[in-house]
Amino acid sequence: SQQGEEDPQALSIQEGENATMNCSYKTSINNLQWYRQNSGRGLVHLILIRSNEREKHSGRLRVTLDTSKKSSSLLITASRAADTASYFCATDAGGTSYGKLTFGQGTILTVHP
Amino acid sequence: KAGVTQTPRYLIKTRGQQVTLSCSPISGHRSVSWYQQTPGQGLQFLFEYFSETQRNKGNFPGRFSGRQFSNSRSEMNVSTLELGDSALYLCASSPRTSGGETQYFGPGTRLLVL
Repeated sequence: SQQGEEDPQALSIQEGENATMNCSYKTSINNLQWYRQNSGRGLVHLILIRSNEREKHSGRLRVTLDTSKKSSSLLITASRAADTASYFCATDAGGTSYGKLTFGQGTILTVHP
Repeated sequence: KAGVTQTPRYLIKTRGQQVTLSCSPISGHRSVSWYQQTPGQGLQFLFEYFSETQRNKGNFPGRFSGRQFSNSRSEMNVSTLELGDSALYLCASSPRTSGGETQYFGPGTRLLVL
């Protein structure tokens, strides 16, 4: 079963604009991760934020985590056509949930040149 | 380091057959997780292996099984294939010493059941 909801389901923007995707989840987590997937290929890890962190940056990516609201957001600044992909949030509940990530449904991002 | 590799990349089978998929993790990674991705259900966790032991299992029928070898390579097997088993099967590896670590995914095996 899916842990969370992602919003929006699809996002279409122009190159140079910022893209924001949101993710909500239902249960307590150890960390939350964001992944990118191009055209049904493997997932590429973008960033991991732990439950005791509120914000994290990596290049053009900014992730926030609000554990009180059970939500996270991914901001991609100055988008490029190459950022066109599906983006997934995934939660790790920790404890005995060995190796299990629970994924949201994903946001399809299209960046127009 | 080489990334996670999966073989074969594409597979076509017919209902009732069985299939075995293989995953080689990143060198030094001891945990391998398997996921199924379908348009309807999204990405769903199948199982995880660490040091040849299955530590966690998702909500899939017993037709789905796996194993891990001493070199951390893993295989998953699906017996008595059904049309609904058509999916992209992804494996991921991580060092997974204490948990809460990044998983690194392979390119996937796309299975089509006719």
